[in-house]
Amino acid sequence: AQSVAQPEDQVKVAEGNPLTVKCTYSVSGNPYLFWYVQYPNRGLQFLLKYITGDNLVKGSYGFEAEFNKSQTSFHLKKPSALVSDSALYFCAVRVRSGYSTLTFGKGTMLLVSP
Amino acid sequence: EAGVAQSPRYKIIEKRQSVAFWCNPISGHATLYWYQQILGQGPKLLIQFQNNGVVDDSQLPKDRFSAERLKGVDSTLKIQPAKLEDSAVYLCASSLGEFDGYTFGSGTRLTVV
Repeated sequence: AQSVAQPEDQVKVAEGNPLTVKCTYSVSGNPYLFWYVQYPNRGLQFLLKYITGDNLVKGSYGFEAEFNKSQTSFHLKKPSALVSDSALYFCAVRVRSGYSTLTFGKGTMLLVSP
Repeated sequence: EAGVAQSPRYKIIEKRQSVAFWCNPISGHATLYWYQQILGQGPKLLIQFQNNGVVDDSQLPKDRFSAERLKGVDSTLKIQPAKLEDSAVYLCASSLGEFDGYTFGSGTRLTVV
């Protein structure tokens, strides 16, 4: 079975500071990893994905994520947070080969203060 | 490109009533998904279609939920009869292929009273 853990329900940062939203995963095999963002009353929007190759993945709106196989982590990062980044962030995983659905974590609320 | 369209946006029904949700995926996307997102939780897959065939419905409560995808395009998800615990946002998503990123619709917020 595959699973995703987002250990923090909420992350608070001040605008202009760097942010990190944590994600660890468990799969049998090599993972595909994704980050999605959800704004109030909206569907999920794709931010970035790791398939293979460079462990540092760059995505939309200045976000990036680092794949760490030994720690089974895929933390989301941004060098300088904006108030408009405040939203609910979901990490998701699926196995790279064979049939597998996308399994989501429970989400982390990011609050960026002015 | 147009996004994934869902309707209605909101629905309030009494328990034991029936309800249906509609989804129109992005043109050309072969794979369509229905997810249930309960408040405070991540989305949970209910059913996955590849064209008009069901790939995975292992987490669909088949005694009350049903879904179909006619002609491999639009899809409907039905609940009959609804229970209080069905209150959630129902998200439809589509992807070009099984290994591509998903595009989500805005969802239907269902409240069962």
